[in-house]
Amino acid sequence: QSALTQPASVSGSPGQSIIISCTGTSGDVGRFNLVAWYQQYPGKAPKLMIHEVSKRPSGVSNRFSGSKSGNTASLTISGLQAEDEADYYCSSYTSSLTLLFGGGTKLTVL
Amino acid sequence: EVQLVQSGAEVKKPGESLKISCKGSGYSFTSDWIGWVRQMPGKGLEWVGIINPGDSETSYSPSFQGQVTISADKSISTAYLQWNSLKASDTAIYYCGRGKWWFDPWGQGTRVTVSS
Repeated sequence: QSALTQPASVSGSPGQSIIISCTGTSGDVGRFNLVAWYQQYPGKAPKLMIHEVSKRPSGVSNRFSGSKSGNTASLTISGLQAEDEADYYCSSYTSSLTLLFGGGTKLTVL
Repeated sequence: EVQLVQSGAEVKKPGESLKISCKGSGYSFTSDWIGWVRQMPGKGLEWVGIINPGDSETSYSPSFQGQVTISADKSISTAYLQWNSLKASDTAIYYCGRGKWWFDPWGQGTRVTVSS
């Protein structure tokens, strides 16, 4: 199975909003509401930011939100802050009864 | 506090065996699945597989099926990932995470280096 498709990099200025896309197929993102998003700083373990497309764990800033349309899920970060600079990964359950990750997106805060 | 603590870094030679661990605390270990994820140097996350510590039911990525074994000992709240014969291409950081189809929290990671 190929990884979910994410842009390699996105950037934005402090205070702006950015969107990271995660494109799959009708067999994964498009079929199930089991999309999650993770934030990873260099040398650190990933941290769950969104699960089940749009649910935010307690303690995660409400500047982070998730959505899905068709085969593409999206992570929106509003009010961009310097501390948001990190790598972001999406994942989705698949019809093959497996979990698939995206290739990752490097977010740069200008 | 829910926490997963993984075993320390390992340096092994090709062909050697290895078993790394992931110990859960702060919750009922048998109440949720544990997953394993690989991150090769400078690369993204790859799903290895999951285990239900309550009954040891497992599910593997086709890419890792037959290459690794996931197990758990619920009496000591610990999950394991093991190799019978390591290859240089197994060099990576391996993370465990609590959950079945999303993971929260994650362990700190175990760095595995395979080199002759």
